Amino acid sequence: DTGVSQNPRHKITKRGQNVTFRCDPISEHNRLYWYRQTLGQGPEFLTYFQNEAQLEKSRLLSDRFSAERPKGSFSTLEIQRTEQGDSAMYLCASSLVGTPTEAFFGQGTRLTVV
Amino acid sequence: ELKVEQNPLFLSMQEGKNYTIYCNYSTTSDRLYWYRQDPGKSLESLFVLLSNGAVKQEGRLMASLDTKARLSTLHITAAVHDLSATYFCAVDLGSKLTFGTGTRLQVTL
Repeated sequence: DTGVSQNPRHKITKRGQNVTFRCDPISEHNRLYWYRQTLGQGPEFLTYFQNEAQLEKSRLLSDRFSAERPKGSFSTLEIQRTEQGDSAMYLCASSLVGTPTEAFFGQGTRLTVV
Repeated sequence: ELKVEQNPLFLSMQEGKNYTIYCNYSTTSDRLYWYRQDPGKSLESLFVLLSNGAVKQEGRLMASLDTKARLSTLHITAAVHDLSATYFCAVDLGSKLTFGTGTRLQVTL
C-alpha cells in the first residue's frame, strides 16, 4: 500500500495524559499536513511541513500540541495534557509542492479523551 | 480570513433525480478540490479544479469552477444509493486547504 498511513487508528486516553500519533506520507511527497476533524464538521488545518521544515501553524495549535518531521519523511503529532475538547479525528495528508495537486489523506487517528 | 460555505448542508435525494451542491468562498483562488467522505472514513479525492471555467466529470458527478463568482458546483446526475456520503469542497490558497462545512447526501429509493 503506497498511500498515506497513520497510526494508531484509534486511541482512547484519560484526560491529562500525553498522546502521540504517527503519519507516514506517500514516499515522494515533500509536503505533509495535519488536520483535525470533529463530528459533523469539515477538517480544520493544524500545521504543515515542507520537507523537515514546519512552515505554518494554525491558531488552533495550542502550546500543548507539537508536531515534528525530523528527516522529512514521517511525522509525529503529540498532544500533551489532553483535554476532552481534544477528542476528534486527526487526519494527515501529503502532496507534492510546486505543481497544484490534490492532497491525499490518510485514514486518520480517532482520539477519544475520557 | 477565508470562509468556505456549502449548501445545502443536508440533501435527501431520490434515486434517479438530479441535484446540485454549491460551494461559495470568500477570497480569490483558482484552485478548488472536491472530496468525498464515508462515515468513519477518511477523505477521497474526487476532482481537482485549477482554473476559471474548469469542468471535470467522473461517472454521475460533474464539478465546475467559476473563479469570478467564487463558486464551484458539484452536479449529481441520476443519483444512486452508492453516492450517499458527505461531500466537501476545499479551497487552496497555496499552502493549505480550507474546507467547507460539508454536504451530507442521502439517496433514497
